[in-house]
Amino acid sequence: GQNIDQPTEMTATEGAIVQINCTYQTSGFNGLFWYQQHAGEAPTFLSYNVLDGLEEKGRFSSFLSRSKGYSYLLLKELQMKDSASYLCAVLDSNYQLIWGAGTKLIIKP
Amino acid sequence: GAVVSQHPSWVICKSGTSVKIECRSLDFQATTMFWYRQFPKQSLMLMATSNEGSKATYEQGVEKDKFLINHASLTLSTLTVTSAHPEDSSFYICSAREGGGTYEQYFGPGTRLTVT
Repeated sequence: GQNIDQPTEMTATEGAIVQINCTYQTSGFNGLFWYQQHAGEAPTFLSYNVLDGLEEKGRFSSFLSRSKGYSYLLLKELQMKDSASYLCAVLDSNYQLIWGAGTKLIIKP
Repeated sequence: GAVVSQHPSWVICKSGTSVKIECRSLDFQATTMFWYRQFPKQSLMLMATSNEGSKATYEQGVEKDKFLINHASLTLSTLTVTSAHPEDSSFYICSAREGGGTYEQYFGPGTRLTVT
């Protein structure tokens, strides 16, 4: 079966750095997405990785290792507004998005 | 760019009635649209995938006769919840994909449905 694992919840301090991990086992791979979802709102796109390595975009970076079936989202200089759920999703061989359950990130002052 | 709208943003209806939710891609043509449902504190659950001009593909366990999906144009898809019951109360989110080799999904703002 297809499976995406990410921690259920994480807590971090304002101004710090946090890494949210995602491991996947899917039928084929055509890229991995990270989305941010604030409570009661729809997801918003953060990043897309299809090749190994680190993609940096401002305070957010996303890393992919296809051989390990592993990705992480790195958030730097955390702000209170970063409190949200972070969803990892893999595009499988049929170009369908397989969603993880999401990681709820709690930022404390 | 890549804006998706949803209407209504929230709706309250009585048990047994039907509710239609619209999803529009405002500045691009969406060859594929997706409908998701999300219960509180849970992840997105894909309900169905629709391609313009063809019948929607429903995920296992989703009743196609209860959740009617129409994707009549490249910018509009509708989800009709027929004979709604309180257990259908949820957050319904649509997303749209442009196609042509791009696979990012752009999400609408969601519709919160409450069935009394």
